[in-house]
Amino acid sequence: DARVTQTPRDKVTEMGQEVTMRCQPILGHNTVFWYRQTMMQGLELLAYFRNRAPLDDSGMPKDRFSAEMPDATLATLKIQPSEPRDSAVYFCASGFGNTEAFFGQGTRLTVV
Amino acid sequence: GQQLNQSPQSMFIQEGEDVSMNCTSSSIFNTWLWYKQDPGEGPVLLIALYKAGELTSNGRLTAQFGITRKDSFLNISASIPSDVGIYFCAGQLSEGQNFVFGPGTRLSVLP
Repeated sequence: DARVTQTPRDKVTEMGQEVTMRCQPILGHNTVFWYRQTMMQGLELLAYFRNRAPLDDSGMPKDRFSAEMPDATLATLKIQPSEPRDSAVYFCASGFGNTEAFFGQGTRLTVV
Repeated sequence: GQQLNQSPQSMFIQEGEDVSMNCTSSSIFNTWLWYKQDPGEGPVLLIALYKAGELTSNGRLTAQFGITRKDSFLNISASIPSDVGIYFCAGQLSEGQNFVFGPGTRLSVLP
């Protein structure tokens, strides 16, 4: 059945290293969201794309985070350089327009 | 930005009991969603509500769109161990806007 696929599921990296997270949205969905989940802040919207164009990335620390959609089947979220405070679960979700979003299983990032 | 409050923050119930939780805001919303997140997984959509007063069921789950449009409610009847998880509400202020997520209600079911 259709689902959002995220890789890797888990990532442990050292502070200062570059981290790239990948997402394959559900085929046919034109909107892709990146969320970050922490115990303290809950689910935070980092950025989202519509038809591969970035619409809003105001939730993202601009100096170290970047999000792209090289094609309709791939969205990436990159952190460079990573810091311990970036440790969280990062979710990708896709949908059609601003209707219900369907989430992937997440990437659990630990920066040591 | 807009904030959603969820109550209770967490709850421990006995298997077989009914569960009620709610989501409130000071703003008026036009759509409410309820998601469930299992441990180690992403949130999964349970129920979507589009009209004030609407009552929608999905198996043992029933959700309602509050009449004031500032709140929504989720009930689970005859809870079972697999109901354990975090339940999130999400509200959309108007069509075309992104959904805002609540902080979640963490449910534990004791055998």
